[in-house]
Amino acid sequence: KAGVTQTPRYLIKTRGQQVTLSCSPISGHRSVSWYQQTPGQGLQFLFEYFSETQRNKGNFPGRFSGRQFSNSRSEMNVSTLELGDSALYLCASSNYGIFTDTQYFGPGTRLTVL
Amino acid sequence: AQSVTQLDSQVPVFEEAPVELRCNYSSSVSVYLFWYVQYPNQGLQLLLKYLSGSTLVKGINGFEAEFNKSQTSFHLRKPSVHISDTAEYFCAVSERAGGTSYGKLTFGQGTILTVHP
Repeated sequence: KAGVTQTPRYLIKTRGQQVTLSCSPISGHRSVSWYQQTPGQGLQFLFEYFSETQRNKGNFPGRFSGRQFSNSRSEMNVSTLELGDSALYLCASSNYGIFTDTQYFGPGTRLTVL
Repeated sequence: AQSVTQLDSQVPVFEEAPVELRCNYSSSVSVYLFWYVQYPNQGLQLLLKYLSGSTLVKGINGFEAEFNKSQTSFHLRKPSVHISDTAEYFCAVSERAGGTSYGKLTFGQGTILTVHP
């Protein structure tokens, strides 16, 4: 099976702009989670989608949003970019079952805000 | 809520020596436990996981970890490291029951393992 894919791999934006990142989960996986990784804050949970519904959300401002499509692909959007939004954004997919709760990660999108 | 503490931010070791990366967690509910590895400019790769059963779990690349419920620890070990093991390692937990923790992994701050020749 193909792994989790994320596009684009690198992005450069300026303050005030908005950006959309895309994530395609492993085939058959219905849950997609997003994380932000920065040197200062480490890995922080943004939100999780399952069957097109947001089930969980981390402590990020409303500028961070996401959605999931019927084929389980997910996008996250960041509006009004700030310098502090520069980070590696990782998505992970999972096929929740009774005994497994394992997330598989994509390579990430490196966002630089100037 | 859960928290994860990785006790060492950096661990230098010589090639072929044994290594232990320490992880302690705090949670009011039962958890699943994971170790991930991240190579430069890459995503996270799952090394091993503890879901239930035997407290000693074996993963890829010769790594193993032991779940100790009384000490709330999940330390990662390898008997003989290689140069290629140089990377950052993350311990993570998730709640078993779902609910408000659906899809959420809580990570430690990471341990940079550097293997010297």
